[in-house]
Amino acid sequence: DAGITQSPRHKVTETGTPVTLRCHQTENHRYMYWYRQDPGHGLRLIHYSYGVKDTDKGEVSDGYSVSRSKTEDFLLTLESATSSQTSVYFCAISRSGSDGNEQFFGPGTRLTVL
Amino acid sequence: AQSVTQLDSHVSVSEGTPVLLRCNYSSSYSPSLFWYVQHPNKGLQLLLKYTSAATLVKGINGFEAEFKKSETSFHLTKPSAHMSDAAEYFCVVSVGDKIIFGKGTRLHILP
Repeated sequence: DAGITQSPRHKVTETGTPVTLRCHQTENHRYMYWYRQDPGHGLRLIHYSYGVKDTDKGEVSDGYSVSRSKTEDFLLTLESATSSQTSVYFCAISRSGSDGNEQFFGPGTRLTVL
Repeated sequence: AQSVTQLDSHVSVSEGTPVLLRCNYSSSYSPSLFWYVQHPNKGLQLLLKYTSAATLVKGINGFEAEFKKSETSFHLTKPSAHMSDAAEYFCVVSVGDKIIFGKGTRLHILP
């Protein structure tokens, strides 16, 4: 298994509070991604990073920000959580686009916003 | 622009019978195509990938998929279903940094 961990694995929070999810990899892969998974929608890309301090938006980036200050860590922040952000969040990594972007996924974080 | 459509949201087959999960894609450039599997309460695992080599791709657990450019399809098949195949399956298209997931097909295996 690829060395990807996510923390926390479960979180319950209240509307309006800030939340930070962490993804940590030990593979030294260049690309890191944050997805959310909701029933009927599959996985939707929130943000991704193609290097330290290099990030870009995905299709559902509103209400989320990211940071990557080290190769191994990619943080996802909800500045002011809303109930619509209740979801399961997956982090993924890949070496580069040259191998077709084969991705390796973390175990997921289940976030509930009350 | 890229897109991917999984034609069935749910598929039910009896154990021991063939499995067919359908995926059509759209891409302006030569895409890479993937199938991932997600078992309940787990992360996603790569089943197989197509990256412009052989059009018939073999994956793990007896699954395979055929890239058909003329039909813009990448259907996933398995000759004989097993109870452990019950899961959700995602077809993915990738071009450069762009990665698009299908909405998923839930596979049910009937005893």
